[in-house]
Amino acid sequence: SAVISQKPSRDICQRGTSLTIQCQVDSQVTMMFWYRQQPGQSLTLIATANQGSEATYESGFVIDKFPISRPNLTFSTLTVSNMSPEDSSIYLCSDNSGLSSETQYFGPGTRLLVL
Amino acid sequence: QKEVEQNSGPLSVPEGAIASLNCTYSDRGSQSFFWYRQYSGKSPELIMSIYSNGDKEDGRFTAQLNKASQYVSLLIRDSQPSDSATYLCAVSSNSGYALNFGKGTSLLVTP
Repeated sequence: SAVISQKPSRDICQRGTSLTIQCQVDSQVTMMFWYRQQPGQSLTLIATANQGSEATYESGFVIDKFPISRPNLTFSTLTVSNMSPEDSSIYLCSDNSGLSSETQYFGPGTRLLVL
Repeated sequence: QKEVEQNSGPLSVPEGAIASLNCTYSDRGSQSFFWYRQYSGKSPELIMSIYSNGDKEDGRFTAQLNKASQYVSLLIRDSQPSDSATYLCAVSSNSGYALNFGKGTSLLVTP
């Protein structure tokens, strides 16, 4: 599997501001995904980051709130816009670099606290 | 709404025992099934995948799949305190490569 890194690893932000999270993979991958894990909860898919085109968002998530870029096959960013305390969460990126196209591996995550 | 259900636990087993973790899913079109282990403060780590009915063994781990009953389980033999973690069941979406996750079962292995 590819090695995934995320920056920043954690941040504390003020409400109303925006934060951009970077996800870097050490080899080219077909698919990259962004998940949110709220405290004590499981993972919820935010969107699939598509290389060269607009991201595909899941129900309940919109581009204005979570704009995503994927300029190439190894890099993606997720921006959390106009943050509120409800956005405090762990944000995880993943790829499908496994033997099957459905197998996903996760980065270390970004722990976000919004005050 | 695609549902993946797990008992939240905690499931407590003594060291050396077999831990049995269960998961049910609602999407009959799902083809791929995964178990992830997540230690507190860490990201999920893939431990098993299974695609066909029956059992799949990897070391101390055995995944079991029954598509007719929409049921997947994970057995951990000779449980160790280091196995104490939250175990997440993930099921592929019928519509693409996305995964639907259960809420996870917390496992505690006591010495």
